[in-house]
Amino acid sequence: AQKITQTQPGMFVQEKEAVTLDCTYDTSDPSYGLFWYKQPSSGEMIFLIYQGSYDQQNATEGRYSLNFQKARKSANLVISASQLGDSAMYFCAMREAYNTDKLIFGTGTRLQVFP
Amino acid sequence: NAGVTQTPKFQVLKTGQSMTLQCAQDMNHNSMYWYRQDPGMGLRLIYYSASEGTTDKGEVPNGYNVSRLNKREFSLRLESAAPSQTSVYFCAIDSKHEQFFGPGTRLTVL
Repeated sequence: AQKITQTQPGMFVQEKEAVTLDCTYDTSDPSYGLFWYKQPSSGEMIFLIYQGSYDQQNATEGRYSLNFQKARKSANLVISASQLGDSAMYFCAMREAYNTDKLIFGTGTRLQVFP
Repeated sequence: NAGVTQTPKFQVLKTGQSMTLQCAQDMNHNSMYWYRQDPGMGLRLIYYSASEGTTDKGEVPNGYNVSRLNKREFSLRLESAAPSQTSVYFCAIDSKHEQFFGPGTRLTVL
């Protein structure tokens, strides 16, 4: 069964607008962590944001926030005030506590920001 | 990423050739990982090492071997390369709430 699902292969957003990238996950482990990574065309993997399953508040890092809805098993990434440099692939990933050494990745969403 | 280096950056092999991908870290972390990324896909774990001298299989270990001789270095070996191993290979190290990735090695097997 797919553990991490990203249903949007591609998204477009106008500069300065906000955009939400969807991620749903599947786990029976009560303790887990959710991650978002950015991969620009240059290829490197850049860590953006982390959310723990027991965290009371949604994670935020600058223009990035994670809309964590535990009951729905979703962990959507919200990028506010999009910039042209945000154009990239975005990957959602999960780590389960019983499986602490492994990150499981989704297939990614390609975001394109246009002027 | 700062702290994780990979060599080489690019490599072209012929089917059946062997090679070793090198990864080194200067962040003193115990856990190290090798992933592969195929076009249009996320990363898949090949092997990982929780500490010096230990290694375990990930999701796609077939065709690969690894070696963790010391805390700094974790190498990935292809004994007999196949076209299906054409991919981008990432090494990563583990911090509590994130994994730091190296810049990647782009491998083409003809």
